[in-house]
Amino acid sequence: ETGVTQTPRHLVMGMTNKKSLKCEQHLGHNAMYWYKQSAKKPLELMFVYSLEERVENNSVPSRFSPECPNSSHLFLHLHTLQPEDSALYLCASSLDSSSYNEQFFGPGTRLTVL
Amino acid sequence: AQKVTQAQTEISVVEKEDVTLDCVYETRDTTYYLFWYKQPPSGELVFLIRRNSFDEQNEISGRYSWNFQKSTSSFNFTITASQVVDSAVYFCALSGVTNTGNQFYFGTGTSLTVIP
Repeated sequence: ETGVTQTPRHLVMGMTNKKSLKCEQHLGHNAMYWYKQSAKKPLELMFVYSLEERVENNSVPSRFSPECPNSSHLFLHLHTLQPEDSALYLCASSLDSSSYNEQFFGPGTRLTVL
Repeated sequence: AQKVTQAQTEISVVEKEDVTLDCVYETRDTTYYLFWYKQPPSGELVFLIRRNSFDEQNEISGRYSWNFQKSTSSFNFTITASQVVDSAVYFCALSGVTNTGNQFYFGTGTSLTVIP
């Protein structure tokens, strides 16, 4: 089974919609991450969770709201997004949030905001 | 400031050619880690290698090799005898500990196309 799964793979939403992205990891890891990947830009780290506690929040607008109910699941709740929020949203996990651990990525959710 | 620069946006090579992907980083940390990831068309980044700042030994894994030079703050990646399956976007990344916790910085990626 794939280590990190993300659903949906594609999402189109209007600016007034509310939707959620889901990530699940089957690797027994204790840290999970959300990244935003936009064309011609570096991956932007959005949130880091370690043992279900949020440990990093990189000045992300409040229209993105993460939730980590347990160490295997991570959600990103979206509301009143802007067209510039269209991007590939990647989830990752690692053994813990230490900087030396490699991260395992999911396939991403391609989000389009109309 | 922490930063990773991958100056090569796109590279095309003919199959069996060697290709080097450049990565230059900036950090004030004395302890840090460098990574390379591969992103095939399917989307998910795949971990290739990690290096810590105290280990400048070059590494070879099959057709892949990495050259880490602290003096030039570079961590370059060479693919020998490239194959079509090597076509992907390759990301260099830097991680370290800041005063707000662990941070991870990625470059903009180099898109490699291997032409059969």
